[in-house]
Amino acid sequence: AQKITQTQPGMFVQEKEAVTLDCTYDTSDPSYGLFWYKQPSSGEMIFLIYQGSYDQQNATEGRYSLNFQKARKSANLVISASQLGDSAMYFCAMREVETSGSRLTFGEGTQLTVNP
Amino acid sequence: NAGVMQNPRHLVRRRGQEARLRCSPMKGHSHVYWYRQLPEEGLKFMVYLQKENIIDESGMPKERFSAEFPKEGPSILRIQQVVRGDSAAYFCASSQAEGTEAFFGQGTRLTVV
Repeated sequence: AQKITQTQPGMFVQEKEAVTLDCTYDTSDPSYGLFWYKQPSSGEMIFLIYQGSYDQQNATEGRYSLNFQKARKSANLVISASQLGDSAMYFCAMREVETSGSRLTFGEGTQLTVNP
Repeated sequence: NAGVMQNPRHLVRRRGQEARLRCSPMKGHSHVYWYRQLPEEGLKFMVYLQKENIIDESGMPKERFSAEFPKEGPSILRIQQVVRGDSAAYFCASSQAEGTEAFFGQGTRLTVV
């Protein structure tokens, strides 16, 4: 079974609108962390936001917020007020503390295109 | 404070040659992770090293691939006798301690011709 599933290969959003990128995960580890990374066409991996499994509040970082629904095992990324520079590939990743230590398991990614 | 530095950014090798990819972690970081990204795919974990030790190499192919992180100098990912299927982006990440946030380098894009 896939540990991280991103069901949207591609998403389109109008500039200044909000967009939600989906991520579901599968783990039996009680302690885990969820990450979102942005990969623009230049190729680098840019860390966006982190949510720990024991965090009570949803993580927020500027225009990025993570909609963490633990019972549903989902960790969707919400980008508010989209900008043209947000066009990129977005990866959801998970770290399972007890079973895999520090290694990250990545999803297949969602290509986001922001239209002017 | 420089970020994670990987070099070269682009590397072209003929089939059968060796590829050496270097990664200098962020200052103060002693944990290094290597990932491979095949075209149109997500990143796949390869190996996790601390200074002079391989901690987890469960994602490394059994043959032709090796990694090291010596006491002095960068971490090296070495691929011997490269084949076309090795063409990919190879990312290095470093962290200060196990379980803390890992920062990625810009990657090395290996092309095998």
